[in-house]
Amino acid sequence: GDSVTQMEGPVTLSEEAFLTINCTYTATGYPSLFWYVQYPGEGLQLLLKATKADDKGSNKGFEATYRKETTSFHLEKGSVQVSDSAVYFCALRRISSYKLIFGSGTRLLVRP
Amino acid sequence: DVKVTQSSRYLVKRTGEKVFLECVQDMDHENMFWYRQDPGLGLRLIYFSYDVKMKEKGDIPEGYSVSREKKERFSLILESASTNQTSMYLCASRKLAGDYGAGELFFGEGSRLTVL
Repeated sequence: GDSVTQMEGPVTLSEEAFLTINCTYTATGYPSLFWYVQYPGEGLQLLLKATKADDKGSNKGFEATYRKETTSFHLEKGSVQVSDSAVYFCALRRISSYKLIFGSGTRLLVRP
Repeated sequence: DVKVTQSSRYLVKRTGEKVFLECVQDMDHENMFWYRQDPGLGLRLIYFSYDVKMKEKGDIPEGYSVSREKKERFSLILESASTNQTSMYLCASRKLAGDYGAGELFFGEGSRLTVL
């Protein structure tokens, strides 16, 4: 069945460091791909999305490119801030499906 | 501002009790979802409702039921709580779109349930 695999956390970085959080997926067809973020004590919120191959989603300095050939959707940011500390979830949804399938989440901790 | 409100942030219940988790959204969304979130497992779908009085089982429906009598409200029911249902429960809603929902899921803040 469909699945999403994320790198295990926690990921600990110093402020202004470069961030990559890996995400790969298994799905038939051409799913839509998403990154959600969960700040401490809050629910999840959409960070960015891409709906077809080679699309790049971007928001708040974060980027991810839909790579069909490697079935990946890695999250990147050039310079992280302490306020980026959160749990990041990669997710997919197949066309004509209601269901969003989530990865296990990656905790990011950014130190001043 | 869009809002999904879950009735209780923290609950402590005893084994065998009946538990109700309530979720209300003010965005006139058709789709509503209940997930549970556990460390290392991410979010797993319990039930979803694509419209009023409509419901479908998700990946882990055993031990749970749901009710959607009004569009804005989606309730999760644990008929007889057990310790393995201790978890964080997240409600979400989404506007129905042409391809069953390319749109964003809006989440509540979660209800942390402890079953003793």
